[in-house]
Amino acid sequence: DIQMTQSPSSLSASVGDTVTITCRASQYIINYLNWYQQKPGKAPKLLISAASNLPAGVPSRFIGSGSGTHFTLTISSLQPDDFATYYCQQSYGTPITFGQGTRLEI
Amino acid sequence: QVQLQESGPGLVKPSETLSLSCTVSGASISSYFWSWIRQPPGKGLEWIGYISYSGSSNFNPSLRSRVTISRDTSKNQLSLTLTSVTAADTAVYYCVREEGSSSGFGNWFDPWGQGTLVTVSS
Repeated sequence: DIQMTQSPSSLSASVGDTVTITCRASQYIINYLNWYQQKPGKAPKLLISAASNLPAGVPSRFIGSGSGTHFTLTISSLQPDDFATYYCQQSYGTPITFGQGTRLEI
Repeated sequence: QVQLQESGPGLVKPSETLSLSCTVSGASISSYFWSWIRQPPGKGLEWIGYISYSGSSNFNPSLRSRVTISRDTSKNQLSLTLTSVTAADTAVYYCVREEGSSSGFGNWFDPWGQGTLVTVSS
């Protein structure tokens, strides 16, 4: 299985801050890396596909980058609605695997 | 707009079989890949498996011996069956569409159903 390791596991920040979450894959996954945002009691929501593509409706303050084994999600100018848990996910091989999650707190 | 709605019993006894359905609207299940993903309370996400547009399936090896994913194209419904459940199978179960390539590689999950909580307890 491809192991996905996120860091940090939790993060405290303030409105207006810029934060970066890292996701490392245990093997090369090209750019087959997606990011999701999950709020309490809700299903995850696609945030970024293929390492850096923003789906329609996702604010441009969310920036994904990376390739190979090292990926980052940067959120600039944090808004109150951004405080949630973020997951990375690889789709290079099965079983599809997720990172353990990063909880972004105020 | 594609919508997915999971349904099924919220409580299953240990050693019994968990059965869930997912009704899809706004897209044909004969297109795309369709996955089931679960999330134990307070924990992370685990991919269970998928069924493809052609009806082929692939499962997480950790669950393969107990899982079946099937479809009813006339009803545009997906089904998940998990046998011999234990408390470790207590989770919110999500039905999800995969988007991306027809090969299944490089895909992403969008949209997600709202999820349904299944508790395994006597």
